Amino acid sequence: KAGVTQTPRYLIKTRGQQVTLSCSPISGHRSVSWYQQTPGQGLQFLFEYFSETQRNKGNFPGRFSGRQFSNSRSEMNVSTLELGDSALYLCASSLVRWTSGTFSYNEQFFGPGTRLTVL
Amino acid sequence: EDQVTQSPEALRLQEGESSSLNCSYTVSGLRGLFWYRQDPGKGPEFLFTLYSAGEEKEKERLKATLTKKESFLHITAPKPEDSATYLCAVQARTRSSASKIIFGSGTRLSIRP
Repeated sequence: KAGVTQTPRYLIKTRGQQVTLSCSPISGHRSVSWYQQTPGQGLQFLFEYFSETQRNKGNFPGRFSGRQFSNSRSEMNVSTLELGDSALYLCASSLVRWTSGTFSYNEQFFGPGTRLTVL
Repeated sequence: EDQVTQSPEALRLQEGESSSLNCSYTVSGLRGLFWYRQDPGKGPEFLFTLYSAGEEKEKERLKATLTKKESFLHITAPKPEDSATYLCAVQARTRSSASKIIFGSGTRLSIRP
């Protein structure tokens, strides 16, 4: 089974530009989550999508947005890039269980990440 | 506030020297605890899922255990290739009865030959 894929793997942008990152989940996984990882802050949750709907959101400014398509592929967009946006952006996919009226996640499988450098 | 704390931040061991990594958590409604391994510049790799206190899982030199307040990742007779950052993540219930996942900051493990 193919793993989670992310494109591109590396990006260099300048301040003020915008960027779009792409994630293809494992086949059959309908939940896709995005994380930002930096040496100082560790793994920070951005948002999670399930069935084309954003269900959870972390504490990031509105410059960070995302969407999910009907085939579960997801994109993340960052507008008006700042130097502090330089990070490894990770996408993770998961199966979701519906138990007693609530969603629960199985383990998440991560892609290799997109390394974004903002100059 | 839901919180996940890992200790120590960094651990250096000699090859063959067994030890344990700790993940303590304060969450409302634990729905599962996950352990991951992450090598530099790569995405985290899934290791274990634990759901209830008393549960244990093993894989090669690694063994994960869970209590009501913390989880331990025991590493027995480690080898240099076990050097990595080990991340703990907790799945917790939200106010709307949905789920959210909270990651700890990780333990950087270094094994000297």
